[in-house]
Parts: sequence; C-alpha cells; structure tokens
Amino acid sequence: QVQLVESGGGVVQPGKSLTLSCAASGFTFSDYAMHWVRQAPGKGLEWVAVTSYDGRYRNYADSVKGRFTTSRDNSNNTLYLQMNSLRAEDTAVYYCVRRVFTGAHGDYWGQGTLVTVSS
Amino acid sequence: AIQLTQSPSSLSASVGDRVTITCRASQGISTALAWYQHKSGKGPQLLIYDASTLQTGVPSRFSGSGSGTDFTLTISGLQPADVATYFCQQFDSYPLTFGGGTKVEIK
Repeated sequence: QVQLVESGGGVVQPGKSLTLSCAASGFTFSDYAMHWVRQAPGKGLEWVAVTSYDGRYRNYADSVKGRFTTSRDNSNNTLYLQMNSLRAEDTAVYYCVRRVFTGAHGDYWGQGTLVTVSS
Repeated sequence: AIQLTQSPSSLSASVGDRVTITCRASQGISTALAWYQHKSGKGPQLLIYDASTLQTGVPSRFSGSGSGTDFTLTISGLQPADVATYFCQQFDSYPLTFGGGTKVEIK
C-alpha cells in the first residue's frame, strides 16, 4: 500500500535551517510528481511546493520562494524540503503529498511532521 | 491566487442526517476541485476529485457537485466515523489553494 512518512521536524530558531524528508513506499516513486503542503496551528492548509517526477520542474508558494527548496532522490524513493531563513510563521505541520497523473491534486498524504520556529 | 470560501466553518448534526458543505471560488475553475477529509493526527484523505468523482474506496454516502465557482460536498446519512474537518482544494492553477475548512461534529 502507498505510504509516505515525513521526518526531520523539530524546534529551530528563527533564521536557521532545517531539512525535511519524506520516505515513499508502495508505489513507483519516480513516476509521480510530489507536493509539500503545510498547516499552521489552528489554521487551514497551505500549499508550499511541487516537484515534477524527475525533479526538473519545481514551483513554490510566494511565501517560501527563495527560502525553501524541494528536491528528490528517486534512487532512494525520498522527497526533501530544504528550509532556510526560517520564520515564526513557518511553524506548521508539513505534509508530503503524491500528485495524481491526471490533475494537480493529491491522492495520498503522509501523517505530517511538526516544525516549530521559536527562539 | 484563487480564493476558496468554504461554509459553514463548523456544523453539528445527528447520525443519519444529510449534511451539505459549500465551497465558492473567486473565479471560475471548471471542475478542478477536490474535497478532503482530515482527522486529527492523520494526513488528509481524498474523498472527491474533479468536483464529483468519488475516490476509490470512499463510501458512497459522500458526493460532490458543482462547476465554475460553486461546489458542494454532501454526506447522505452522517455516521460517527465522519467526524472530521473537511477541506476543498482547487487545482485549476498554481498556487493550489484550499478552503478554510468545515468541522463536522455529531449532535
């Protein structure tokens, strides 16, 4: 069965960096584009970034553009989100999401990993 | 960015009731809309895509309708297992955006 497991969350100071990972299994990872989506405490969902199946195409929300970078290692079935210059407003649960072939929405989500940006 | 306005923000209904949640887009998105169910501590689950197509494995009491700017999610016969927050999402264009969510509880 499809599984997406995020890791790497934790408490980090403002201005510092953190890298999240998403381990994929149960499907051919290299066939699928992948999203990152986040949810701040008490808030709704916010799309963060997408990467194409081969990692050549990437798109970002304006709120993270220039600070976050998504990448993937198809040989190890892993998606990454490198987060630099973190701000308090980046505090959220971060989810990796498998994008479907026929549209831009996602069909499987991980359970999420919490990132807290605080001094 | 396309804004999605979801209503109500919360509702309480009895087991067996018919429940309707609406999602309005700030501009036309054809049928590029998905609905998700989100339970605490888990990742959201896809219920409906392309506005009205039921995702495989989702109970048939869930249905979606609409096109353009106005969409609805209906639960025909609310069950205790349906207690969750429901989100709509547009995938017509980037940035993908979500509605504010509707928290569904049992009365």
